[in-house]
Amino acid sequence: NAGVMQNPRHLVRRRGQEARLRCSPMKGHSHVYWYRQLPEEGLKFMVYLQKENIIDESGMPKERFSAEFPKEGPSILRIQQVVRGDSAAYFCASSYAGQGGPNAEAFFGQGTRLTVV
Amino acid sequence: EDQVTQSPEALRLQEGESSSLNCSYTVSGLRGLFWYRQDPGKGPEFLFTLYSAGEEKEKERLKATLTKKESFLHITAPKPEDSATYLCAVLGWKTSYDKVIFGPGTSLSVIP
Repeated sequence: NAGVMQNPRHLVRRRGQEARLRCSPMKGHSHVYWYRQLPEEGLKFMVYLQKENIIDESGMPKERFSAEFPKEGPSILRIQQVVRGDSAAYFCASSYAGQGGPNAEAFFGQGTRLTVV
Repeated sequence: EDQVTQSPEALRLQEGESSSLNCSYTVSGLRGLFWYRQDPGKGPEFLFTLYSAGEEKEKERLKATLTKKESFLHITAPKPEDSATYLCAVLGWKTSYDKVIFGPGTSLSVIP
């Protein structure tokens, strides 16, 4: 059973370009979470999705950022018109159930390190 | 507002020297407290979930305990391979549901 798969592992974008980060959850998991981690800082929640639904996007900037988790295929975190401040590690996690009950453990991918030049 | 703090920020131990990491939390009703380990350049690796005060869980040299205000991660006779950043996270009832809040982590170095 493969773990959470994220790609690409490293992504370099020039200012103003778009960045697309992909996340395939663990088999059988229907809950996906995206986090951002800046150097020397903790993980910051961005968005929580289930298949075809955004459940909570309270941690995501209102502009330029969007996320989806379609019925088929991976979850995508999209950052439009990237700026230098978007440079960070972006982690995706998945869980079998929502994190308030049994089987709530979230398993993380290896992350995508975005560098904006 | 729900908050999580961890101490110490960094800890350096000799191999075999047992110690504890602290996670203090303020949350409107705890639904779950999670411990993760993160190695440099990698994603967090799940260790434990604790749900209620008094609960304890163990895995190899690690033991996690929970009270109403804090959690401890006890490391018994650590080895160099235990060197990592240990993250604590909480989920509260009034938190926008299923939004886990992470602490800043404790960076552990175990010297041979």
